[in-house]
Amino acid sequence: GENVEQHPSTLSVQEGDSAVIKCTYSDSASNYFPWYKQELGKRPQLIIDIRSNVGEKKDQRIAVTLNKTAKHFSLHITETQPEDSAVYFCAAKKTGAGSYQLTFGKGTKLSVIP
Amino acid sequence: DVKVTQSSRYLVKRTGEKVFLECVQDMDHENMFWYRQDPGLGLRLIYFSYDVKMKEKGDIPEGYSVSREKKERFSLILESASTNQTSMYLCASSLGRGNTEAFFGQGTRLTVV
Repeated sequence: GENVEQHPSTLSVQEGDSAVIKCTYSDSASNYFPWYKQELGKRPQLIIDIRSNVGEKKDQRIAVTLNKTAKHFSLHITETQPEDSAVYFCAAKKTGAGSYQLTFGKGTKLSVIP
Repeated sequence: DVKVTQSSRYLVKRTGEKVFLECVQDMDHENMFWYRQDPGLGLRLIYFSYDVKMKEKGDIPEGYSVSREKKERFSLILESASTNQTSMYLCASSLGRGNTEAFFGQGTRLTVV
């Protein structure tokens, strides 16, 4: 089955700096890569996703890049703010028969220091 | 506003008890999932269901079972709770077989003593 590796497990940045979280996946058939943010005591929520026909996607201060050849994708947060502090999970999924579930990375705890 | 609701936020159960965790979604989603969240281990899939009465094992099904008698409800059952099942349990749902967003419940913190 699919295996998703996520690095780093913890990340501390100064407010205003950029943060980058990287994930690799094993199944070349995976074609959907969402990122979830989980604030302390809250449920994970989708913040951005990318499909395999796209190399990069941006939404304000958040961007995700995908390299299908290398089977890795990354989350980039620019101009970090204290409210960006959370645990971030990457995930991978493929479509087709029998493909219903996301496979998640182990998460990155991001701390933004004011 | 989409909603996935888990029946309890906190539960404390004794070793050997049979435990039911309930999850209800109001989005008419076909797929429902149960994950277990532990520090440093991320979100691990226990079981999922893609239709009423259908169920599939995830990555860590041992010690658990599930029930889906109605489309909107997915139950996780711990047949005989053990202390190593102390964890945060998250339910999620998603639409169909395509690449669609998974919506999570607020989680149930289960402690087995």
